[in-house]
Amino acid sequence: DAGVIQSPRHEVTEMGQEVTLRCKPISGHDYLFWYRQTMMRGLELLIYFNNNVPIDDSGMPEDRFSAKMPNASFSTLKIQPSEPRDSAVYFCASSLVGIDTQYFGPGTRLTVL
Amino acid sequence: AQSVAQPEDQVNVAEGNPLTVKCTYSVSGNPYLFWYVQYPNRGLQFLLKYITGDNLVKGSYGFEAEFNKSQTSFHLKKPSALVSDSALYFCAVREGPGNTPLVFGKGTRLSVIA
Repeated sequence: DAGVIQSPRHEVTEMGQEVTLRCKPISGHDYLFWYRQTMMRGLELLIYFNNNVPIDDSGMPEDRFSAKMPNASFSTLKIQPSEPRDSAVYFCASSLVGIDTQYFGPGTRLTVL
Repeated sequence: AQSVAQPEDQVNVAEGNPLTVKCTYSVSGNPYLFWYVQYPNRGLQFLLKYITGDNLVKGSYGFEAEFNKSQTSFHLKKPSALVSDSALYFCAVREGPGNTPLVFGKGTRLSVIA
């Protein structure tokens, strides 16, 4: 398996623009997680899905952030409008229920100018 | 609520010496414990996990971790450190099986000096 795939790997945008991050989980995994990593706050869980359904989005910082999982092989995290404080590395991870190990993608480094 | 603490932000060790990265946890029931490693500009990679059984768990790259229930600890160890082990290490915990996500510590940066 190719592992968790994220795109783009790097994104540079200007404040106010819409940003869409993409994730393809490992085939057969039914949990998908979105994390944000910054120097100041460390690794933060933003939202997670089970069987394409959002289970807990309490980590989403504000309404500018939204996430969808239209099918088992694809998820998006959208920021609209983006702000400089959104600059971070965003990770997607997936896991198989009952086994628990989460497998992480390589991350998307977002820079908002 | 479940939580995990990594008391050291930074650990420095000389190449060839044994290394320990500390982790303590708090859960109500039986813990599932994990260690992950993050190399620069990379995602987190799974190293090892403890679910049940032998308290000494062996993982990737020669790492091992010891589960100590009385001290609620799960320290990561390696007998002989390599410069290539320099990275950010995360401990994570969840309470038993089920549907809650892992709770991660803040990470410990390991520097192995040649």
